[in-house]
Amino acid sequence: EVQLVESGGGLVKPGGSLRLSCAASGFTFSSSDMNWVRQAPGKGLEWVSAINKDGSHISYGDSVKGRFTISRDNAKNSLYLQVNSLRAEDTAVYYCARGIVPAAFDMWGQGTMVTVSS
Amino acid sequence: QSALTQPPSASGSPGQSVTISCTGTSSDIGGYNYVSWYQQHPGQAPKLMIYEVTKRPSGVPDRFSGSKSGNTASLTVSGLQGEDEADYYCSSYAGYINLFGGGTKLTVL
Repeated sequence: EVQLVESGGGLVKPGGSLRLSCAASGFTFSSSDMNWVRQAPGKGLEWVSAINKDGSHISYGDSVKGRFTISRDNAKNSLYLQVNSLRAEDTAVYYCARGIVPAAFDMWGQGTMVTVSS
Repeated sequence: QSALTQPPSASGSPGQSVTISCTGTSSDIGGYNYVSWYQQHPGQAPKLMIYEVTKRPSGVPDRFSGSKSGNTASLTVSGLQGEDEADYYCSSYAGYINLFGGGTKLTVL
């Protein structure tokens, strides 16, 4: 089955860290560009970060630059997002998504919830 | 990195057509033919409906169409059906980053 499954979310205090994971199956992960997109409760979508198929090109949205790090392990068919220095405004469902061309994400996981609260 | 601008709401009766706009700048929508549209039903992940301004992924009904003029992109839904009621988001490439619009809630009356 073609799918993306995120994990690693949870409740964390401001300033804390988490490592989000996304397990891919059913398609050639190593040939796919990947992204993280988040959605705060009741709010719209926000693109977070992208990594190309071999990890040689990485980009971040301004709101997370310097605090979040995207990475991938093609041998494990996995995508990661290390989230540090968390703030209340980082509270959101974090989705991993496959990119087919820029701004086009054709496959999404079910999301993992990150809640930043004291 | 400003978000793209969408109207917060749109509506139409079954069978009618509705168009949702998405306004950006020459640095995003106007500069690239990489505009996408997503449909999101409550509690679900977004679904890609249009990419590269006008292309439809396999399985998306041809009632959904996209266009672009200058710095504004549009999504048109023809022959509205009840299942089209959802939130719709535009997205555009902006040179190594991607931007989303704030979303439009489409109501089928």
